[in-house]
Amino acid sequence: GAVVSQHPSWVICKSGTSVKIECRSLDFQATTMFWYRQFPKQSLMLMATSNEGSKATYEQGVEKDKFLINHASLTLSTLTVTSAHPEDSSFYICSARQGAGEKLFFGSGTQLSVL
Amino acid sequence: RKEVEQDPGPFNVPEGATVAFNCTYSNSASQSFFWYRQDCRKEPKLLMSVYSSGNEDGRFTAQLNRASQYISLLIRDSKLSDSATYLCVVNYGYNFNKFYFGSGTKLNVKP
Repeated sequence: GAVVSQHPSWVICKSGTSVKIECRSLDFQATTMFWYRQFPKQSLMLMATSNEGSKATYEQGVEKDKFLINHASLTLSTLTVTSAHPEDSSFYICSARQGAGEKLFFGSGTQLSVL
Repeated sequence: RKEVEQDPGPFNVPEGATVAFNCTYSNSASQSFFWYRQDCRKEPKLLMSVYSSGNEDGRFTAQLNRASQYISLLIRDSKLSDSATYLCVVNYGYNFNKFYFGSGTKLNVKP
């Protein structure tokens, strides 16, 4: 199946710093990528949908100025958590669709801990 | 009301048991349905798609009831390795661009 690579796997940072997470589709072109956040024992919550070459669509309640998403190529999307605070600590995970396919291919996730 | 609802469990079953999970969805326009498996702190992995006629993959059987808006997953002859959280996923929207996840049902298979 298709492979999605996500880096870093985990990151610890000080409050107020920014953290960038990368999501790459390795063997296919991903026209659409999704970013999710998951708190312990909770469901994956969709944060935003990014389409290559256009602005991301954010879900209600997600601050677009805090969670910057860039999808500059068909194989790379990045999520930058700006001025991170402890409440941003969570498991962030990306997924990608291959063309107009229905199936999602997930990255391995990034555990963010903000001190 | 949540888009997708699941019983969080946990379901604690012995090896060899048969266990079933249900999931309900609120949007009648939902187009595609899936079961994913997620191990702790790992990414979800597609277990199987769910088709209207029902479908089977080895020990796993999925059913869809559009009239009642629920999906089920049946696991026969449970293995220890089946222990995980099972996520129900519903897809709809223009160009299949909306995927909604249930909160997951945790399964513990014990020796």
